[in-house]
Amino acid sequence: DAGITQSPRHKVTETGTPVTLRCHQTENHRYMYWYRQDPGHGLRLIHYSYGVKDTDKGEVSDGYSVSRSKTEDFLLTLESATSSQTSVYFCAISDPGHPNTEAFFGQGTRLTVV
Amino acid sequence: KQEVTQIPAALSVPEGENLVLNCSFTDSAIYNLQWFRQDPGKGLTSLLLIQSSQREQTSGRLNASLDKSSGRSTLYIAASQPGDSATYLCAYMNRDDKIIFGKGTRLHILP
Repeated sequence: DAGITQSPRHKVTETGTPVTLRCHQTENHRYMYWYRQDPGHGLRLIHYSYGVKDTDKGEVSDGYSVSRSKTEDFLLTLESATSSQTSVYFCAISDPGHPNTEAFFGQGTRLTVV
Repeated sequence: KQEVTQIPAALSVPEGENLVLNCSFTDSAIYNLQWFRQDPGKGLTSLLLIQSSQREQTSGRLNASLDKSSGRSTLYIAASQPGDSATYLCAYMNRDDKIIFGKGTRLHILP
């Protein structure tokens, strides 16, 4: 299994509070991604990173920010959590520059905003 | 808008049958296409990766094909087993290195 760890695995938080999710990899892959998965919508890209301090927005980036200060860590912050951000969040890693490099996913973080 | 469509959305078949899951995409400039499996409450497990220059990949009972010109990929599962029951997701990487997903096909293999 690829070395990718998400923390926490489960979190319940109150509306309006900031929340940070962490993705840690040991594969030295250049690209890291944050997705959310919701019934009826599938997996939607929030933000991704193509290197240290290099990030870009996905299709559902409003209300989220990210940071990548080192290769192995990619943080997703909900600046002021809302109930619509209740979801399962997945981190993924990839290295498109290497042939036959698959994307690997973490086990997910289940976030509930009450 | 870049989209991935997976048909059917759900499928139930008796054990032992061969089956085909379909994936279509609107972007002709893909970098690669990947099939994943997801069990309930779990993360995604990579099954097969097809580079844009390839036409198919095989792993055990699984075979995935890619036709970029028509924007289609298929996942063929031979001799299905109850343990194959899961949701199967198709995703491609575009030239901006974003990975775009379909909504998946929920597969149920009847014992």
